[in-house]
Amino acid sequence: NAGVTQTPKFQVLKTGQSMTLQCAQDMNHNSMYWYRQDPGMGLRLIYYSASEGTTDKGEVPNGYNVSRLNKREFSLRLESAAPSQTSVYFCASIGGTTNYGYTFGSGTRLTVV
Amino acid sequence: GDSVTQMEGPVTLSEEACLTINCTYTATGYPSLFWYVQYPGEGLQLLLKATKADDKGSNKGFEATYRKETTSFHLEKGSVQVSDSAVYFCALRPLTGTASKLTFGTGTRLQVTL
Repeated sequence: NAGVTQTPKFQVLKTGQSMTLQCAQDMNHNSMYWYRQDPGMGLRLIYYSASEGTTDKGEVPNGYNVSRLNKREFSLRLESAAPSQTSVYFCASIGGTTNYGYTFGSGTRLTVV
Repeated sequence: GDSVTQMEGPVTLSEEACLTINCTYTATGYPSLFWYVQYPGEGLQLLLKATKADDKGSNKGFEATYRKETTSFHLEKGSVQVSDSAVYFCALRPLTGTASKLTFGTGTRLQVTL
């Protein structure tokens, strides 16, 4: 049971380059999320998808776009990377009632130079 | 809006010492509360949870009690081990709302030494 799989694990970009972070879950969860983790700031929500076919902005959406390709996959795209987007990115999914928390992927460490 | 406040770290303890990491929250209604742990280089893992007032979540020797009157969910362990060294995040999930977004605290780093 793989859970939530993120690719790539590491990436270095030059300012202005674009890239897509991939996320897939095999737990049949409806809701998926993208967070970024920065030192001293905890996790901040970038975008989320409450269900297949819907996406919404979170706390820090500027500079990002997302696609909920199907129920399994939720990708995060950086159109023109900036050094301020250097961070660790986590994808998560959730299913069931409020009794349950997220299942997280192992993260993507992105450096923009 | 909802918020979670955790004690500042890092927390440095000797092995077998007692641990308390404070967490308080602000939310409407009765959210579900969680502690997550992040080991170096890994994603977050659910450590324990509580879904209503006075519930006690427990796992791997860690405990936390949902205190509605003080809006707190402090993490405790009676005897820590070197392997407990990690970053601990307190989080809440609101009772209502279709997106079930979690709100996280900033995390508390625990370092346990021999």
